[in-house]
Amino acid sequence: DIVMTQSPDPLAVSLGERATISCKSSQSVLYSSNNKDYLAWYQQKPGQPPKLLIYWASTRESGVPDRFSGSGSGTDFTLTISNLQAEDVAVYYCQQYYSIPWTFGQGTKVEIK
Amino acid sequence: QVQLQQSGPGLMKPSQTLSLTCAISGDSVSGNSASWNWIRQSPSRGLEWLGRTYYRSKWYNDYAVSVKSRITINPDTSKNQFSLQLNSVTPEDTAVYYCARKTQGALDIWGQGTMVTVSS
Repeated sequence: DIVMTQSPDPLAVSLGERATISCKSSQSVLYSSNNKDYLAWYQQKPGQPPKLLIYWASTRESGVPDRFSGSGSGTDFTLTISNLQAEDVAVYYCQQYYSIPWTFGQGTKVEIK
Repeated sequence: QVQLQQSGPGLMKPSQTLSLTCAISGDSVSGNSASWNWIRQSPSRGLEWLGRTYYRSKWYNDYAVSVKSRITINPDTSKNQFSLQLNSVTPEDTAVYYCARKTQGALDIWGQGTMVTVSS
């Protein structure tokens, strides 16, 4: 199984500042035949299911604010929340869908400093 | 828009069979571009993918090794839904269970979640 490791946890950021979350996979999730990274980011608020933010490592899901961005390739990925808003307080997860079983990181809780 | 509505009991006793259903609206369980998944979440195990069913000229299933001997995911085309059965549950199966659709991207639509507690 591919192990997904996130850091830091938790992460405290001031309103309007930038939050940066790291996700590392135990093996590459880059599929060479199409040059796509099979990596997604989700946001989860209390009592709600996870919400898809980013897929293919850097493609924003429809309706997701552009302050959320994803980057990276291979085994190292980053979710950046620029201009942090109060409504961004949540737990964020990365997930690989390169190979079965799909696996998730342990989560990063973003708080307001 | 696509929605997934989960149903099923929330309290079970050890050794019983967990049965949950996920009703689909706005998409088809037998469509050729999506897979239909079950995921659970607990404090001890985090988010854990359990398995999927999908149709590509015929039906396919994949299951996580951790539950492979106990799990069945079945589509129901007549009701446009899919189900999860997990046999011989123990307290370690206590979790919030989610159904979710995966398309070309990732898990883009999720059900509302069902808290399942296994306790004698």
